[in-house]
Amino acid sequence: NAGVMQNPRHLVRRRGQEARLRCSPMKGHSHVYWYRQLPEEGLKFMVYLQKENIIDESGMPKERFSAEFPKEGPSILRIQQVVRGDSAAYFCASSRSGPHSGNTIYFGEGSWLTVV
Amino acid sequence: AQTVTQSQPEMSVQEAETVTLSCTYDTSENNYYLFWYKQPPSRQMILVIRQEAYKQQNATENRFSVNFQKAAKSFSLKISDSQLGDTAMYFCAFMRYTGTASKLTFGTGTRLQVTL
Repeated sequence: NAGVMQNPRHLVRRRGQEARLRCSPMKGHSHVYWYRQLPEEGLKFMVYLQKENIIDESGMPKERFSAEFPKEGPSILRIQQVVRGDSAAYFCASSRSGPHSGNTIYFGEGSWLTVV
Repeated sequence: AQTVTQSQPEMSVQEAETVTLSCTYDTSENNYYLFWYKQPPSRQMILVIRQEAYKQQNATENRFSVNFQKAAKSFSLKISDSQLGDTAMYFCAFMRYTGTASKLTFGTGTRLQVTL
């Protein structure tokens, strides 16, 4: 699972600024997921993407949050006008496509966002 | 919607002893996957073990094994010969089988402390 690369590992933003978190999936994986973990809580699903498509964004807040997974380059989770409540660990995960993939989802090491 | 319940917020076990972490889930699906993930103090999410619902045989990975009771919707994790390095948060997770990858629904976690 070390193959899912996230950066930055730690990010500090002032209220009102923008935060951009990047994720490169494991080699051969075309499915990317973003999860958020608030302090002392479990992971909550945010969004599921395949290349150039958002498949499921049912966990994304309606405002200020967006995600993309372009044809070339990493997946990006973008948070505009950050507020203190956005402080959390954001985990990216990836999985291989197809019914024979085994459907195991592998996680990156997380990006810790602190809003001051 | 699926829900995952971990009723033990914290547990403690002595080194070399065996401990069992509980997990129950609620779903109307017949085909699905269940997972246990470990989150050590480094906060990285590490896959411990997975179980396909259509398989009656309980999954085993070295010192880790599960007791999967499909009718009871129970999926407990047994750690044998506990080691200090097993100290971590343990999350149970559910994933629908859709023929391709899908999102994970996590429980709230059990904090396991392995003591000398």
